Amino acid sequence: AQSVTQLDSHVSVSEGTPVLLRCNYSSSYSPSLFWYVQHPNKGLQLLLKYTSAATLVKGINGFEAEFKKSETSFHLTKPSAHMSDAAEYFCVVSEGKGGKLIFGQGTELSVKP
Amino acid sequence: SAVISQKPSRDICQRGTSLTIQCQVDSQVTMMFWYRQQPGQSLTLIATANQGSEATYESGFVIDKFPISRPNLTFSTLTVSNMSPEDSSIYLCSVALGETQYFGPGTRLLVL
Repeated sequence: AQSVTQLDSHVSVSEGTPVLLRCNYSSSYSPSLFWYVQHPNKGLQLLLKYTSAATLVKGINGFEAEFKKSETSFHLTKPSAHMSDAAEYFCVVSEGKGGKLIFGQGTELSVKP
Repeated sequence: SAVISQKPSRDICQRGTSLTIQCQVDSQVTMMFWYRQQPGQSLTLIATANQGSEATYESGFVIDKFPISRPNLTFSTLTVSNMSPEDSSIYLCSVALGETQYFGPGTRLLVL
């Protein structure tokens, strides 16, 4: 069975400092992995995805994530946080093309001025 | 990507009543999904809705409580039946385009 663990329920950073949101997965298949962001009172927006191509994936708004099979990790990073990055972030694994998504519990990112 | 809209965006309902949520997408898609996000929680898949077949429900969700329609390739509805306060959640629909799912803005439901 597939699963996702987000290692931090809440992360707080200062504006301009790096962001690291940690995610570990468990999968029997070669997984597809995603990061979604949910701003307050908004829907889910796709940040980036890994689908067995390059292991370093670049997404929108300066975010990127690296797929590390040996560590079963897919951590999300950004070099410099912006106030507008404050939101809930979900790490997600897919059971296959167009298949069921398994969501992590989410990490709330706070950005201090 | 896909542009997905949901109606209503939010509602406040009395217990024992039912609410039907609509999901419209701007292109034809085979697979549509319905999720529930309870307060402060992550998303849980309710069911998968493919056009021309019965919806497939996940463990813990039943058709009598969450009937789904999928009349064509751009539209689906989810009904939350005989509501109780525990049904207060955000309900989101999504569509699969290749390996990626795109989500609607969600319907915020409060049951009193």
